[in-house]
This record gives sequence, structure tokens and C-alpha cells, in this order.
Amino acid sequence: GAGVSQSPSNKVTEKGKDVELRCDPISGHTALYWYRQRLGQGLEFLIYFQGNSAPDKSGLPSDRFSAERTGESVSTLTIQRTQQEDSAVYLCASSLAWGAVYFGPGTRLTVT
Amino acid sequence: GENVEQHPSTLSVQEGDSAVIKCTYSDSASNYFPWYKQELGKRPQLIIDIRSNVGEKKDQRIAVTLNKTAKHFSLHITETQPEDSAVYFCAASNTNAGKSTFGDGTTLTVKP
Repeated sequence: GAGVSQSPSNKVTEKGKDVELRCDPISGHTALYWYRQRLGQGLEFLIYFQGNSAPDKSGLPSDRFSAERTGESVSTLTIQRTQQEDSAVYLCASSLAWGAVYFGPGTRLTVT
Repeated sequence: GENVEQHPSTLSVQEGDSAVIKCTYSDSASNYFPWYKQELGKRPQLIIDIRSNVGEKKDQRIAVTLNKTAKHFSLHITETQPEDSAVYFCAASNTNAGKSTFGDGTTLTVKP
């Protein structure tokens, strides 16, 4: 079956612009995660959605970052007024209520 | 919330030797412990997992052990090969809370 998909695969934007990243989780997966991964670094947790529960936003680095999820489907991560330090790969992942996490291919964001 | 510590951060071994990566967790309610492998430029992928009702699980050259009392679990790779070179992440979660918490990753280099 289809895995987690993300779009765009690459995004180059100018400092100060807003960007939207999209994630389509595996059908039936109630949990959805966003991570940021800088070059050569680990997985930086951003936000976690689980069904209809309030999202865990504890990893969002600033109020420039926000995310939404429509029911148990698509999620969008929005970064407002992008800064150069926002340059990274943004990984989306999904899972059943608990268990193994399946990652998407990521969106590589470059802020110039 | 759960906290997962992973050691070492980097590990270099000679081809054919064994490699061991260890993770400790803080939440005694955690009962699911997967390991993920991230090759250069790719997404993390599940390679093996263990649940709290067993102490060890093997799959060919890789194995995971769990010590619930000490709250740590380890990944063992035997007869290492250059293609084992990657970043390895451990994670922990429980069936009630659901959310997976990841370690910071271990960069394994296998020298031919």
C-alpha cells in the first residue's frame, strides 16, 4: 500500500516568506508526527497529533511554526517569516494509535 | 513525559566486528521499543522492535535486548558489514500514551 507522502520534496524560499509543507499519512493511521532534521543531526520533535485529542505542540521552536491536521488525514506545517536557521529536512511520520512509526521522504527546505 | 537517552553518539567498528548501541528510558509504563536505521539521504526505517513481554528478539545479524528493571534496551549487530553504516535511532512508547519518543541517534561507521 501507499506509504507516507510529503510535498513538495524541495522548497527554496527567501528569508521572511511563509511556507507550507504538506503530509499525507498512511490511511488508517491515527497518529501523525512532524520532525525537523538539520544536516548531520538527529530528529527534532515538533508536533504530534493523535486522533481527536489536542495536539502535543511542545516541540514547536517558536510561534512562527504551526501545524494543522484535518481529522485523521492530511497535515500541513506552516512556517511564517522564514529564517535561515529554518533550513532543514522536515520529516512527517504516521503510525497506528501506537507502535511502529513510518516516515515520509521529507521536504528539504532551504531559506536564502 | 518520556525521556530516551542513547549512547554512544558515534561508533566506529571494523568490518566483521560487533556493534552495540544502548538506550535508557525514564517512563516505566513504556512497553514498545523499536529501532530505526537511517541511511545517508534517506528516511528512517524500522529494522527491529521488541515489546516488554520479551527480553530478547533476533533477526539474522541484528538483535535487541530489553532490561525492564534497569529501563534500558540495546541493539546488537554482529558480523558488521559496510552497508550497516548509518544512523540508528531507538524509540520508546506505551500503548496508553501512544506517542513515540526518539533517542538522539548513533552514527555507526563500519570500516572495510
